Amino acid sequence: NAGVTQTPKFRVLKTGQSMTLLCAQDMNHEYMYWYRQDPGMGLRLIHYSVGEGTTAKGEVPDGYNVSRLKKQNFLLGLESAAPSQTSVYFCASTYNRGLGTEAFFGQGTRLTVV
Amino acid sequence: GENVEQHPSTLSVQEGDSAVIKCTYSDSASNYFPWYKQELGKGPQLIIDIRSNVGEKKDQRIAVTLNKTAKHFSLHITETQPEDSAVYFCAAINQAGTALIFGKGTTLSVSS
Repeated sequence: NAGVTQTPKFRVLKTGQSMTLLCAQDMNHEYMYWYRQDPGMGLRLIHYSVGEGTTAKGEVPDGYNVSRLKKQNFLLGLESAAPSQTSVYFCASTYNRGLGTEAFFGQGTRLTVV
Repeated sequence: GENVEQHPSTLSVQEGDSAVIKCTYSDSASNYFPWYKQELGKGPQLIIDIRSNVGEKKDQRIAVTLNKTAKHFSLHITETQPEDSAVYFCAAINQAGTALIFGKGTTLSVSS
């Protein structure tokens, strides 16, 4: 099993450009999450999904959009990238509700916006 | 919403010493508290968790304690080894019960 796979692993964007980060899991997990990790800020929840076709806002959703058209995939979109979105992005998934189940993380996507 | 505070932000110990990381949470309804370890260049991995119906849980050199009254929980690592060097995150469930809210992390350095 691959677990949680993120694509791409690295990306440099110019301010104003758009891009989509792809997260794929092969564990048949219902719940999927996008976090960003910044120095001194820990992991902050951007958006999450509790099932195919559903999405919800997390702690820091502004400037991002998400879609969960297929159960195994969770896409994170940046419509107009800003330098403040320079970060490492992590996708995670859990089998069931966030309560009491292990979250499996991808390897991360390092995004730089110049 | 849920807020998780974690201290210290950095911790340096000698090999063989113990390390303690502390977290507090804001939502008294939270009842699941995991700890994750993140090695350089990798995603976080679960190392231990505790539910609100127990006060302590151990797994070899790692233990977690929970004080629901005070709304704080701690990670204890005994007999530290260089491979314990990593960033450690505590977390709690958000108010909707649907996602984990993480602390800001503790960078643990174990020197030999």
